Amino acid sequence: DADVTQTPRNRITKTGKRIMLECSQTKGHDRMYWYRQDPGLGLRLIYYSFDVKDINKGEISDGYSVSRQAQAKFSLSLESAIPNQTALYFCATSTTGSGNQPQHFGDGTRLSIL
Amino acid sequence: AQSVSQHNHHVILSEAASLELGCNYSYGGTVNLFWYVQYPGQHLQLLLKYFSGDPLVKGIKGFEAEFIKSKFSFNLRKPSVQWSDTAEYFCAVNAHNDMRFGAGTRLTVKP
Repeated sequence: DADVTQTPRNRITKTGKRIMLECSQTKGHDRMYWYRQDPGLGLRLIYYSFDVKDINKGEISDGYSVSRQAQAKFSLSLESAIPNQTALYFCATSTTGSGNQPQHFGDGTRLSIL
Repeated sequence: AQSVSQHNHHVILSEAASLELGCNYSYGGTVNLFWYVQYPGQHLQLLLKYFSGDPLVKGIKGFEAEFIKSKFSFNLRKPSVQWSDTAEYFCAVNAHNDMRFGAGTRLTVKP
């Protein structure tokens, strides 16, 4: 969806560097998510946020941190990047609900760490 | 934690063939079920979802899926695939706001 915008779209960086991936949405959704996609592993949840004051760890949060600056913005940081964090990263949003609301995904950020 | 299994990693079909992609999950309680499609170079898009009611759900582009509670399954079907269905397909299960995705099935449709 163009309503979920991720920047940058591609990034190549070196081991040890700090990296921030940004996500903004115009859908007015309260909930935002960060996933990484690896071949053969599908999508795995890194962090999620149900509103501005709510941040939760997902399945694979080690080595990552997030910030929910506003309802519309949710950034993911790699404090000290390592090669096994090379992956495709997706941001997603959803409305509030009991889990039956689908998620809407951004176009992804392809991150390569050398 | 719950898990989601997709049985086939890569499926190759000719146009007009019928498709069935398997999805099983491990959680025993109430679940919400989704199928997403990812076309090459694009983001995931929702194909269909189930959360209650008729266990046979219809989605976009002629896809449908059947929820069989006793088998913990939510298989995706399409009677006749097209070349444009070439993509990766992900099953996802949400239980108590814990969303898990399967590893995905890559579908290649030969013209």
